[in-house]
Amino acid sequence: EPEVTQTPSHQVTQMGQEVILRCVPISNHLYFYWYRQILGQKVEFLVSFYNNEISEKSEIFDDQFSVERPDGSNFTLKIRSTKLEDSAMYFCASRTGTGGKLAGANVLTFGAGSRLTVL
Amino acid sequence: AQSVTQPDIHITVSEGASLELRCNYSYGATPYLFWYVQSPGQGLQLLLKYFSGDTLVQGIKGFEAEFKRSQSSFNLRKPSVHWSDAAEYFCAVREGGTSYGKLTFGQGTILTVHP
Repeated sequence: EPEVTQTPSHQVTQMGQEVILRCVPISNHLYFYWYRQILGQKVEFLVSFYNNEISEKSEIFDDQFSVERPDGSNFTLKIRSTKLEDSAMYFCASRTGTGGKLAGANVLTFGAGSRLTVL
Repeated sequence: AQSVTQPDIHITVSEGASLELRCNYSYGATPYLFWYVQSPGQGLQLLLKYFSGDTLVQGIKGFEAEFKRSQSSFNLRKPSVHWSDAAEYFCAVREGGTSYGKLTFGQGTILTVHP
């Protein structure tokens, strides 16, 4: 079964450093997402991305965050200057966007997550 | 804005026992509802979804869920739990009219299964 792949599985960084989390969505998917889960809290929507641009972002997704699809396969989340409160599990997700809702085209497939620890 | 509540943070059941995980949502119209499961080291896997139609939906791994509009609930059930069902379970909702991929999650319920 096709998977969403995320790397690294765990990254430890110093406060103020830049971090790039990488995702390889399912190949025929068109819509891409980042979510995060701070330990003990809910999974939260960060940003959605379609046709090489951000289609929606949450209040959390401020100027220190950016997303990019640098080639035909990777989808990255960059945190420019990490803060302690950025420590979380970051999930990438994708969906096809085609076939209509009853075909499951609007169901997200999630990756296993990248755990970011900021010291 | 919609919200999702999973009242039980941690549930423990014996293998072979029945299971019900509760989920309540707050939203004015009929939402799109999902249950995801996360096993250690794995991603969030979709168990089942409700968009419209029959309020009792069947999912993978023998799970089912029932949408009850009057109670704003979408509880997940399984008649006989297996040890491999031990995981964390998340209820999620998508508000109609918003981005299809923008989900609001509950805080999750950790399921422990005793042999």
